[in-house]
Amino acid sequence: NAGVTQTPKFQVLKTGQSMTLQCAQDMNHNSMYWYRQDPGMGLRLIYYSASEGTTDKGEVPNGYNVSRLNKREFSLRLESAAPSQTSVYFCASSSGTAYGYTFGSGTRLTVV
Amino acid sequence: QQQVKQSPQSLIVQKGGISIINCAYENTAFDYFPWYQQFPGKGPALLIAIRPDVSEKKEGRFTISFNKSAKQFSLHIMDSQPGDSATYFCAADFQKLVFGTGTRLLVSP
Repeated sequence: NAGVTQTPKFQVLKTGQSMTLQCAQDMNHNSMYWYRQDPGMGLRLIYYSASEGTTDKGEVPNGYNVSRLNKREFSLRLESAAPSQTSVYFCASSSGTAYGYTFGSGTRLTVV
Repeated sequence: QQQVKQSPQSLIVQKGGISIINCAYENTAFDYFPWYQQFPGKGPALLIAIRPDVSEKKEGRFTISFNKSAKQFSLHIMDSQPGDSATYFCAADFQKLVFGTGTRLLVSP
C-alpha cells in the first residue's frame, strides 16, 4: 500500500522558474496538507484542503498556489521560485481533525 | 509566533537511559496532541498521541505525560535504543496540526 506519494523527490530550479509538486493518497482521506520543513523551524503549514473542492491558507502561503484536483490529489505550485523557497516539502493526508496525519517521503527543492 | 514550543533542540542519551522531550502550548482550543518521529530522508511518522482529557498514555517504551493546567506535555522514551535516534516533533491540533521545532535525539551505544 502506497499511502501518500510525492513527486518528484528532488528538484533544482533557477530563480524565477515555475514548477508543480504532485501529491496523491490512496487512503480515501478527506483532508490533505502541504508543509515545508526548514532547519530549526519544524514543519510549517503552507496550504491545506479540508475536503475535496476546498483549500485554505496556512501559516506561510506567500509564493505558492494549490489545487485539489480530486479526492486523491493535491498539488502545490511555485509560480516564480525564489531562493527562500529552498526547503523540503511534505504532503500529508488525514481522515479529519484530531486524527493522525500520514506523510509522504518529501520533495527536496533547491532554488539557485 | 511559535504556538508550540519544544525543548531541547538536541539530546544525547546513553543506551538504556530515559529520553525526555518537553513541549508547551498556548491555545487552549487544541484538542489532540501527537508526537511524530522522523528518520533522515523520510517523512514524519505518527508515534503516539493523546487527548486532553487523559493525563498519561503509554505504548511500549513510549509515554506521553499531559498537564492540562500547565499547558505542557512531554514524551518519555524508556530504555532508549540506538534505533530510536531520530528527530522527534510534538504537535497540537485544532482544525490543523501545528508542530514544534523538533528535537534531534542521539542514543549512544
